[in-house]
Amino acid sequence: DTAVSQTPKYLVTQMGNDKSIKCEQNLGHDTMYWYKQDSKKFLKIMFSYNNKELIINETVPNRFSPKSPDKAHLNLHINSLELGDSAVYFCASSPRAGGAFFGQGTRLTVV
Amino acid sequence: KNEVEQSPQNLTAQEGEFITINCSYSVGISALHWLQQHPGGGIVSLFMLSSGKKKHGRLIATINIQEKHSSLHITASHPRDSAVYICAVSPSGSRLTFGEGTQLTVNP
Repeated sequence: DTAVSQTPKYLVTQMGNDKSIKCEQNLGHDTMYWYKQDSKKFLKIMFSYNNKELIINETVPNRFSPKSPDKAHLNLHINSLELGDSAVYFCASSPRAGGAFFGQGTRLTVV
Repeated sequence: KNEVEQSPQNLTAQEGEFITINCSYSVGISALHWLQQHPGGGIVSLFMLSSGKKKHGRLIATINIQEKHSSLHITASHPRDSAVYICAVSPSGSRLTFGEGTQLTVNP
C-alpha cells in the first residue's frame, strides 16, 4: 500500500492552462504539505494543512490554491500556468511526533 | 544565507569507502532529518534526530545540538548508495527547512 500517493507523476501542459495535482495519504496523519523542488533540486515549503485547516502559506503566487476536502487529501490547483512553474511538486504528510513521508513527486513541465 | 548548509555539495567515492556528509543549521530546531532522493526522484526519510546518534544498517546519523551540526555517515559505501542526500530541520512544528543537498556518486 502506498502511504502518500500523488497523481499524476508527470504533467506536461501549455502556458495559461489550469491544472491540478492530487495527493492522498492513508497514514492517518493530521498534517500535510506541498513542497516545490526547483531545477537546482532545492526543496521549499509551499503550504501546510493541519486537519483540513491551512496553517502555512509561504510566499506563493495566488495562482496556486491548495484544497483539503478531508485530512487524508490535499490537492494543489494551479491557474494560468507559467514557464517558471515548471518544477517537481512533492506532497508529504507527518504525524504529531514529527517525521516526513513523501509522495513520489509530480514533475510539471510548462511549455 | 540558507538556514541549513550542507557540505560537500558533490561527493564522489570508490566502493567501500567511508563517507561523511555534514549539515550545519542556524536556527533553533525540534528535530533534524536526513532524506535520500534517488535518481528516480522519490524522497525517503532516513533519520529523524533530536539528540545523539542513530544507526540503521550501514548508515549512521549524529547530531550535536549545542554546535548546531549533524553528520551522516555511510560505511562500506556501495554504488546503490548513489543519490542526493538532503538535510532538513524542523524549526517549529513539523514543517521542514531544507539544505541544498549533497550529490553522492559511488563508483564500483
